[in-house]
Amino acid sequence: DAKTTQPTSMDCAEGRAANLPCNHSTISGNEYVYWYRQIHSQGPQYIIHGLKNNETNEMASLIITEDRKSSTLILPHATLRDTAVYYCIVRAVNNAGNNRKLIWGLGTSLAVNP
Amino acid sequence: DSGVTQTPKHLITATGQRVTLRCSPRSGDLSVYWYQQSLDQGLQFLIQYYNGEERAKGNILERFSAQQFPDLHSELNLSSLELGDSALYFCASSVANTNTGELFFGEGSRLTVL
Repeated sequence: DAKTTQPTSMDCAEGRAANLPCNHSTISGNEYVYWYRQIHSQGPQYIIHGLKNNETNEMASLIITEDRKSSTLILPHATLRDTAVYYCIVRAVNNAGNNRKLIWGLGTSLAVNP
Repeated sequence: DSGVTQTPKHLITATGQRVTLRCSPRSGDLSVYWYQQSLDQGLQFLIQYYNGEERAKGNILERFSAQQFPDLHSELNLSSLELGDSALYFCASSVANTNTGELFFGEGSRLTVL
């Protein structure tokens, strides 16, 4: 299963873009990159996922490098409510491909400051 | 609100005891996942059920067991509890047992073993 590496913590000024990097150099061709966030002991919240192409939704944008070895989650206009731990995870499947386990690291603790 | 309901929210018990955590998935979701999160740790995958059948197993101790019932709700049973079992236990659900699609997490059950 591909592992991910993220910075332990980051700071961002309110209203500015938050760019959260993730390294997943051992990712396989059929593995997706998922981003979740967890606000202080609440249940994790899905943000976005992608395979090869860049993705955008109402919450964030996901930029995946061409070699797929790293990605960046972009929160375009961070607010105080975006303060959370952000997890970059790579989906693993078994040979049958009919289930999945998400391997979670410790994530990046993002502090959005006023 | 993710639509996933977990009960109880908080539980305090003694070592050696047994507890049952309950999860109701989002309406229409067939897959249920259980995760454990110890203090300042990442989420550890425990087990997955799909439509009543066990589909994937992670680092689940033999003292722990789970099942998914015909109405799709799931229970996680923790027995012979130890101090180290104190953690947040999250349940998540997803639409299907496929390779894509996000997980929706409940707010968790905080277990404290004294």
